[in-house]
Amino acid sequence: SAVISQKPSRDICQRGTSLTIQCQVDSQVTMMFWYRQQPGQSLTLIATANQGSEATYESGFVIDKFPISRPNLTFSTLTVSNMSPEDSSIYLCSVELLKNIQYFGAGTRLSVL
Amino acid sequence: GNSVTQMEGPVTLSEEAFLTINCTYTATGYPSLFWYVQYPGEGLQLLLKATKADDKGSNKGFEATYRKETTSFHLEKGSVQVSDSAVYFCALTAQGGSEKLVFGKGTKLTVNP
Repeated sequence: SAVISQKPSRDICQRGTSLTIQCQVDSQVTMMFWYRQQPGQSLTLIATANQGSEATYESGFVIDKFPISRPNLTFSTLTVSNMSPEDSSIYLCSVELLKNIQYFGAGTRLSVL
Repeated sequence: GNSVTQMEGPVTLSEEAFLTINCTYTATGYPSLFWYVQYPGEGLQLLLKATKADDKGSNKGFEATYRKETTSFHLEKGSVQVSDSAVYFCALTAQGGSEKLVFGKGTKLTVNP
């Protein structure tokens, strides 16, 4: 496995503001993923982030709302833009360390007032 | 598309009881199958996996067998402990690797002393 660090671990934000979530891995990985877990729900993939290319977004998620950066093989950020209370969720990053096996960070618990 | 159907919870058991959480899937070919566990206030941890038919994944006393004929991957444990209280997610990735995880809705398990 690897150490996957997410920052911040939690935040309370005001409507209309933006929050950038960081994900740092202690080894180089090609594939990184961002998931959303709405309250009491399962996880849904937002986008896949590969180093050196644009992120690939799932249906229902757009770059303007969830811009992603992937500047190198150990780091990625997800920004939640122009937040509304409906964005209150846990946001998790994951990395593919071995073929087809993903490991997750502890998540960022976001509340939007 | 690919999907995972998981036994609805919540499930409440007494310590040392037998646990089964049912999981069935819909996918083409031979997906990889996973069980993840989310302890209160934490991110997801990989509990066990199986990548081909008839494989048995096991970890911490939990087991699940990849049944192609019934498209199932049921989670079992012979004697649960209070510390097993968590939410359990069944998930799959499509054959070929480096694909998104598709999750079931999760089953909340509470084990009472």
